[in-house]
Amino acid sequence: SQKIEQNSEALNIQEGKTATLTCNYTNYSPAYLQWYRQDPGRGPVFLLLIRENEKEKRKERLKVTFDTTLKQSLFHITASQPADSATYLCALSPSGTYKYIFGTGTRLKVLA
Amino acid sequence: EPEVTQTPSHQVTQMGQEVILRCVPISNHLYFYWYRQILGQKVEFLVSFYNNEISEKSEIFDDQFSVERPDGSNFTLKIRSTKLEDSAMYFCASNEGGGSYNSPLHFGNGTRLTVT
Repeated sequence: SQKIEQNSEALNIQEGKTATLTCNYTNYSPAYLQWYRQDPGRGPVFLLLIRENEKEKRKERLKVTFDTTLKQSLFHITASQPADSATYLCALSPSGTYKYIFGTGTRLKVLA
Repeated sequence: EPEVTQTPSHQVTQMGQEVILRCVPISNHLYFYWYRQILGQKVEFLVSFYNNEISEKSEIFDDQFSVERPDGSNFTLKIRSTKLEDSAMYFCASNEGGGSYNSPLHFGNGTRLTVT
């Protein structure tokens, strides 16, 4: 069956450290993958998109990698801050469809 | 920056009643979506809509649900005969292109539907 899985347990890290979140997918062949941030009671907010022919994408303190062989994307936040505390979602659009499927999300808490 | 707006922010209804959730997508976007998030669970796709018709729908989106773009700005989700398990946060989203166009989704802040 098709699945998008993220670490279901919350990730707690100290301020200033790098947070690494994982997104694994099964039985999809996405041309690209997106990452979103969701704060409690709010809609997801788009952060980054990475295409299948890109190994790595950066935006300020954020970095995303995409390994189509492993069927995995990693999302890194460097020099993390308490304001980075949120749930992070990965999403993909199955080829030939008009929908975006979201992973389960990983809750990140950055401790001051 | 343009944003997707949703009303109401919270809707309480009795089981068996009909509700209409409203959304104003970003004006130059062409694709519209509804998602659902039950408390503590994942964001689930319900339906996508383009050119005044449904592009795709999930198994959740059965005959109880319908969508409409009644005018040039609003996009609505109607839930008929609500059930307790329909209680969730409903998010509207829009983007410039459909799934094949690498276009990020812009979400509203949701309508929390509580069915009692």
